[in-house]
Amino acid sequence: GNSVTQMEGPVTLSEEAFLTINCTYTATGYPSLFWYVQYPGEGLQLLLKATKADDKGSNKGFEATYRKETTSFHLEKGSVQVSDSAVYFCALTDTGGFKTIFGAGTRLFVKA
Amino acid sequence: DTAVSQTPKYLVTQMGNDKSIKCEQNLGHDTMYWYKQDSKKFLKIMFSYNNKELIINETVPNRFSPKSPDKAHLNLHINSLELGDSAVYFCASSQAAGYGNTIYFGEGSWLTVV
Repeated sequence: GNSVTQMEGPVTLSEEAFLTINCTYTATGYPSLFWYVQYPGEGLQLLLKATKADDKGSNKGFEATYRKETTSFHLEKGSVQVSDSAVYFCALTDTGGFKTIFGAGTRLFVKA
Repeated sequence: DTAVSQTPKYLVTQMGNDKSIKCEQNLGHDTMYWYKQDSKKFLKIMFSYNNKELIINETVPNRFSPKSPDKAHLNLHINSLELGDSAVYFCASSQAAGYGNTIYFGEGSWLTVV
């Protein structure tokens, strides 16, 4: 079945540090891939997405590239801010399916 | 204007009670969802409706019953509440079901069963 595996948190960084959150997936078809972010006390919101191999999604300084050969969609940001502290979820929706599968979430803490 | 709104935001109730959570979306989307998020932030799909038709019905106790009176509303009724039902319940919607569609979440309903 389809699944998403992302690195366990929490991840703690100092402001302006480089961020990588790893995400790998298993899918039977050619899924669309997403990163969602959840700020404290809020619902999830889309951060970025990519719908085909080699596509790069980007938003608010975050980016992720859809790598079919390594079945990965790692999230990166060059310089994190305290306001980036949140829980980040990698997700996929497979072709021909209705369901979006979410990873377990990675909590990020950014210290000033 | 809130795109996906759900009420109540907080709910504290006793074991054995019956409660409902209401959800409305004003995005004109065809598909709506209920998700459950546990204390470890793990997110699990419960139900999904597409144009009022049930398309996803995960393995949840039949004490949970969704109702979609129209495609802009999806309510969740829970009978005989148990301690393990304590969680955050998110309503969500998307333009259509499946591939490539972004899911828009409400702010969550924090249910505590005591």
